[in-house]
Amino acid sequence: AQSVTQPDIHITVSEGASLELRCNYSYGATPYLFWYVQSPGQGLQLLLKYFSGDTLVQGIKGFEAEFKRSQSSFNLRKPSVHWSDAAEYFCAVGARGSARQLTFGSGTQLTVLP
Amino acid sequence: GAGVSQSPSNKVTEKGKDVELRCDPISGHTALYWYRQSLGQGLEFLIYFQGNSAPDKSGLPSDRFSAERTGGSVSTLTIQRTQQEDSAVYLCASSTGTAFYGYTFGSGTRLTVV
Repeated sequence: AQSVTQPDIHITVSEGASLELRCNYSYGATPYLFWYVQSPGQGLQLLLKYFSGDTLVQGIKGFEAEFKRSQSSFNLRKPSVHWSDAAEYFCAVGARGSARQLTFGSGTQLTVLP
Repeated sequence: GAGVSQSPSNKVTEKGKDVELRCDPISGHTALYWYRQSLGQGLEFLIYFQGNSAPDKSGLPSDRFSAERTGGSVSTLTIQRTQQEDSAVYLCASSTGTAFYGYTFGSGTRLTVV
């Protein structure tokens, strides 16, 4: 069974600073990988996904993530954070060959200081 | 429709009462998922429907929870004899059914059991 770990429950950064949110997964093969963002009172919005190919994935809102097979990681990055990026971020993994469900991490809450 | 629609957006119910939560997926999406998000937690998979196949109910936490999907479209999640621990946000997602393409979440139903 797959699992996802987001080691940081809460991260605080200053506006304009760079950001990296960590995600580690456990799965027997290369999974499908996702990052979602959830603003207060909202549903989940897809930021980016990795299915295959280039291990550096570009997403919306200036986010990117890099799949590192050797480290079983899929960290989310942004070079310069905006106040509107304050939200909760979820990493998720899906099994290849199956669309049965996604397994989510417990989330990282991002606070942006002015 | 243009997106996944869930209703009601908020529901307050008394302990012991039954509740029904509705999800209207994106037109043409054959796969439909229910997740539960408890306070401070990640998303917990509940149930998965794919076309006319038997649903995957492996995530339902107890026999008080059930779900159905009529005509391959609208789904209803029913919680019988609600308990306070059922308080959570219930999220629905739909996809094209193939490897999570087009996987889209609704805004959720916030259920409060008092």
